[in-house]
Amino acid sequence: DQQVKQNSPSLSVQEGRISILNCDYTNSMFDYFLWYKKYPAEGPTFLISISSIKDKNEDGRFTVFLNKSAKHLSLHIVPSQPGDSAVYFCAASAGAQKLVFGQGTRLTINP
Amino acid sequence: KAGVTQTPRYLIKTRGQQVTLSCSPISGHRSVSWYQQTPGQGLQFLFEYFSETQRNKGNFPGRFSGRQFSNSRSEMNVSTLELGDSALYLCASSPFARDSGNTIYFGEGSWLTVV
Repeated sequence: DQQVKQNSPSLSVQEGRISILNCDYTNSMFDYFLWYKKYPAEGPTFLISISSIKDKNEDGRFTVFLNKSAKHLSLHIVPSQPGDSAVYFCAASAGAQKLVFGQGTRLTINP
Repeated sequence: KAGVTQTPRYLIKTRGQQVTLSCSPISGHRSVSWYQQTPGQGLQFLFEYFSETQRNKGNFPGRFSGRQFSNSRSEMNVSTLELGDSALYLCASSPFARDSGNTIYFGEGSWLTVV
């Protein structure tokens, strides 16, 4: 049972525009959500997180939105840059339980 | 501050053999988690250790095992290797046991190829 789903395997965005990556989850007990970025042959790098008591968190060009009623999480990157081309994973956890990851979305920023 | 260090980075093994992968967490981090990444499968949780105790375990067969030492360093072992075990094995550390609000930080991974 895939508790965290990233339904778009890939996304292509023009440089300078907004990239929006989406993530849905099924477990209503999840209370902490994270986004990681992964380049080929490297480990995932932590980007940004959000607690379930919030609905938005910003860090520079990255903003994460949480819609608890819809069980939906999104990552906005504005403006998108060529270096943002990578695979993005969303992840969620419930208390002390393991972090559950989505399948990843490959983001390509076109010049 | 040094990041999570995993060794070896790349290795090739033959079916039926066993392999041990090593992970040194970020200094001061006491929790270590292991994940497997295969194409199209995302990141699958293997297990988590905190203070030398296994706290959580994923849905993997008993051929996959791990341990953590008193200095927080961790090893994972896969016995009787199968072709399907070919994957990137990622270790991650965090300061405390995994609970809400703790972020985990990944190493670069160990690429295992089983032939």
